[in-house]
Amino acid sequence: DVKVTQSSRYLVKRTGEKVFLECVQDMDHENMFWYRQDPGLGLRLIYFSYDVKMKEKGDIPEGYSVSREKKERFSLILESASTNQTSMYLCASSSNSNTGELFFGEGSRLTVL
Amino acid sequence: GIQVEQSPPDLILQEGANSTLRCNFSDSVNNLQWFHQNPWGQLINLFYIPSGTKQNGRLSATTVATERYSLLYISSSQTTDSGVYFCAVSILTGGGNKLTFGTGTQLKVEL
Repeated sequence: DVKVTQSSRYLVKRTGEKVFLECVQDMDHENMFWYRQDPGLGLRLIYFSYDVKMKEKGDIPEGYSVSREKKERFSLILESASTNQTSMYLCASSSNSNTGELFFGEGSRLTVL
Repeated sequence: GIQVEQSPPDLILQEGANSTLRCNFSDSVNNLQWFHQNPWGQLINLFYIPSGTKQNGRLSATTVATERYSLLYISSSQTTDSGVYFCAVSILTGGGNKLTFGTGTQLKVEL
């Protein structure tokens, strides 16, 4: 079975702090994604990566950056957390094809005070 | 971009009842998936179904790509089926496999 592991299920941070959300997948997938989920807005794509050291902006990249130094790991970085970044963050991975099936981690619920 | 609409937005069932969830999309797609989000927030893959029909236990799904819709059938529902069901699609050109999600159907199954 594909396993996508997110480092923290629940985090509480203060405004202005730097926040790292880590995601690791064990299926040698080329593509990795970060989504955020908010009530009434559904899932929105923040960033994705289709190869090591490659990244592309999704629909809502402002206030976020990402890092992919190794194929299995994709990190989401909030340089200076703000209260409007309180959300559920979901990492996903898929194989490198136009029809690649997407697999999600358990999610990280971030609260910024 | 592609639009994905799901209906109904909310659904309450008695245990044992059957239901049909619908997903309409606005463009030709090369990837369509159904997910179940459990009460703890995790998204579980149900079906990868860009066309045709698949079944897995009490669940089945049908996608009619030419008419741009997909249906998820839940039979003999159980309380553990409660949660949010999402349909997600990616388009044939320019979209790679970045999925666009519908807003989901919130299902509650009661005893």
